Amino acid sequence: NAGVTQTPKFQVLKTGQSMTLQCAQDMNHNSMYWYRQDPGMGLRLIYYSASEGTTDKGEVPNGYNVSRLNKREFSLRLESAAPSQTSVYFCATLGGAENEKLFFGSGTQLSVL
Amino acid sequence: ILNVEQSPQSLHVQEGDSTNFTCSFPSSNFYALHWYRWETAKSPKALFVMTLNGDEKKKGRISATLNTKEGYSYLYIKGSQPEDSATYLCAFLNFGNEKLTFGTGTRLTIIP
Repeated sequence: NAGVTQTPKFQVLKTGQSMTLQCAQDMNHNSMYWYRQDPGMGLRLIYYSASEGTTDKGEVPNGYNVSRLNKREFSLRLESAAPSQTSVYFCATLGGAENEKLFFGSGTQLSVL
Repeated sequence: ILNVEQSPQSLHVQEGDSTNFTCSFPSSNFYALHWYRWETAKSPKALFVMTLNGDEKKKGRISATLNTKEGYSYLYIKGSQPEDSATYLCAFLNFGNEKLTFGTGTRLTIIP
C-alpha cells in the first residue's frame, strides 16, 4: 500500500522544454489535486479532479494541463516550461474513513533554467 | 479567488509556552476547514478536519476551534516543544465542489 506516489522526485528543464509529472494513488479516492509550493505563498492549487474524467482549474492553472485518465492517475503537464514554474509540486488525494482529508505525495522539485 | 488568510506569518515561541494562531476564511459555501502540519523537507500531514460550527478538536497538546458564521478557526498549542516547530496550514473546502484552498501558513519556531 504505497499511498500517493509522485514521479520524478527531481527534474531540471530548460526554458521551453516540456514534461509530465505523474501521480498515482492506490487509496481508491475520488478527488485528486496538484499544488505548487513557493516561498511565502503556502500551497497554491493548480488543478484538481473531483472524479475520474473531470478536471477543474485552481488558483494558478496558466501554463499547465492535466489529465485524469482513470481513478488512480492524475498527471500534470508543462507544455513549454518557464523559469516562473520553478517550484516544488505536490500531488494529493482527498479521502479517509471519517472526515475526508488530504494525503500528499512526496513532492517533485522542478527547476527551469 | 477564495481568501484564506493566516496570521501571523511567523512566530517564535519559547519552549514550554503556549501559543495560538488564526485562519480566516469565507463564511459562505463552507463545507470543511482543515489544519495541516508541515515539517521541512516532508509532505504536509493532516491534523484536524472540522465541519460544524462550534467544533472543537484535540490531539495531545494541540487543539482547534471553528466558527463558521464569522469565518475563523484557531489552532492552539499548549506547552510548546521543539518538535512542534513546523509550518501550520489551514485549508478551506468549498461546498458543492471539491476545491480545497490553502492559506499561506504560519511558520512556528520553538526556541529551546
